Amino acid sequence: AQSVTQLGSHVSVSEGALVLLRCNYSSSVPPYLFWYVQYPNQGLQLLLKYTSAATLVKGINGFEAEFKKSETSFHLTKPSAHMSDAAEYFCAVSVNRDDKIIFGKGTRLHILP
Amino acid sequence: EPEVTQTPSHQVTQMGQEVILRCVPISNHLYFYWYRQILGQKVEFLVSFYNNEISEKSEIFDDQFSVERPDGSNFTLKIRSTKLEDSAMYFCASSERGGMSYEQYFGPGTRLTVT
Repeated sequence: AQSVTQLGSHVSVSEGALVLLRCNYSSSVPPYLFWYVQYPNQGLQLLLKYTSAATLVKGINGFEAEFKKSETSFHLTKPSAHMSDAAEYFCAVSVNRDDKIIFGKGTRLHILP
Repeated sequence: EPEVTQTPSHQVTQMGQEVILRCVPISNHLYFYWYRQILGQKVEFLVSFYNNEISEKSEIFDDQFSVERPDGSNFTLKIRSTKLEDSAMYFCASSERGGMSYEQYFGPGTRLTVT
């Protein structure tokens, strides 16, 4: 069975600092991996996805993530945090196209002025 | 840009009552899903639906739950007799079958409050 583990339920960074949100996955087959963002009282928006093409994936709003098979990781980064990045971020995995998505518990990102 | 829509945005109901949550998936999508998120917790898969039948369901999706695509555009989730623990945000999603985007598009959610 597939699963994701997000390290840190809350992460605080200063505005302008590097954002690093950690995600490790478990899957018996090559996974599809996703990062979703949820702003307060809103739905889920896809930030980026890994679908077995390039291991470094660029998404919206300046975010990117790198798939590392040897480390079973898919960490999300952004070089310079902005106040508008404050939100909940979910790492997620599925094993087939059109298959259910399994979400991690989420990391709430706080941006300090 | 096409989007998934859900109604109502907020539903308050009394324990034991039936509720129907409605979703309009993106028009050319063929796979449909329901997820839920209890306040402060992670998003959980409930059920997937393709070709007018359930493809997969989770342990949460017991006999109190049912899904239907009544008219070719709407996709509904019915809870027959709501419990307090059904209070959650319910998200509908849709995807192309075999599409190159590998993406499920999520609606804005319906917040269900059971009192």
